[in-house]
Amino acid sequence: KAGVTQTPRYLIKTRGQQVTLSCSPISGHRSVSWYQQTPGQGLQFLFEYFSETQRNKGNFPGRFSGRQFSNSRSEMNVSTLELGDSALYLCASSLGGPGLTYEQYFGPGTRLTVT
Amino acid sequence: GQQLNQSPQSMFIQEGEDVSMNCTSSSIFNTWLWYKQEPGEGPVLLIALYKAGELTSNGRLTAQFGITRKDSFLNISASIPSDVGIYFCAGHKPVNAGKSTFGDGTTLTVKP
Repeated sequence: KAGVTQTPRYLIKTRGQQVTLSCSPISGHRSVSWYQQTPGQGLQFLFEYFSETQRNKGNFPGRFSGRQFSNSRSEMNVSTLELGDSALYLCASSLGGPGLTYEQYFGPGTRLTVT
Repeated sequence: GQQLNQSPQSMFIQEGEDVSMNCTSSSIFNTWLWYKQEPGEGPVLLIALYKAGELTSNGRLTAQFGITRKDSFLNISASIPSDVGIYFCAGHKPVNAGKSTFGDGTTLTVKP
């Protein structure tokens, strides 16, 4: 089975711009979670989508948004980029259904640099 | 909010030595997970634990789900240079759906 893929792997943007990151989960996985990883804050949960619905959300400003498509692929968008948004953005997929395990499998991440 | 305290923060060991690290929480979790992350990559799932007291092995790795459900331990036996990386614990409870809570990681350096 192919693993979780994320595109692009690297991105450089300027303050004030917006960015869209993409994640394709493992085939058969319906849950996609997004995390932000920074040296100072570690792995912080952004949000999770299951069957095209946002099921859980972390404590991030509204500039961070996401969506999930019917094929379980997910995108996250960050608008009005700030320098502090520079981070590794990780996507994780899991089966995620009721009664199923929440073992999450991560993609390689998208390294976003905001200048 | 929920926090996981992972220790030690870093370890410098000689090849062949055994390693122990642990994670504690003020909250109860239903699942404990251990991941390893190498530079430029996402975390890779090593071991998942589902029951209090459960002891699970994956090669030279052994992890335990604490009986209080508030802690977990990871041991690596006979370390080798490719064990280098950052090890994260994560706790999960069904009410949080797809959100796992992560520790800050233990950075492991192995000297040949």
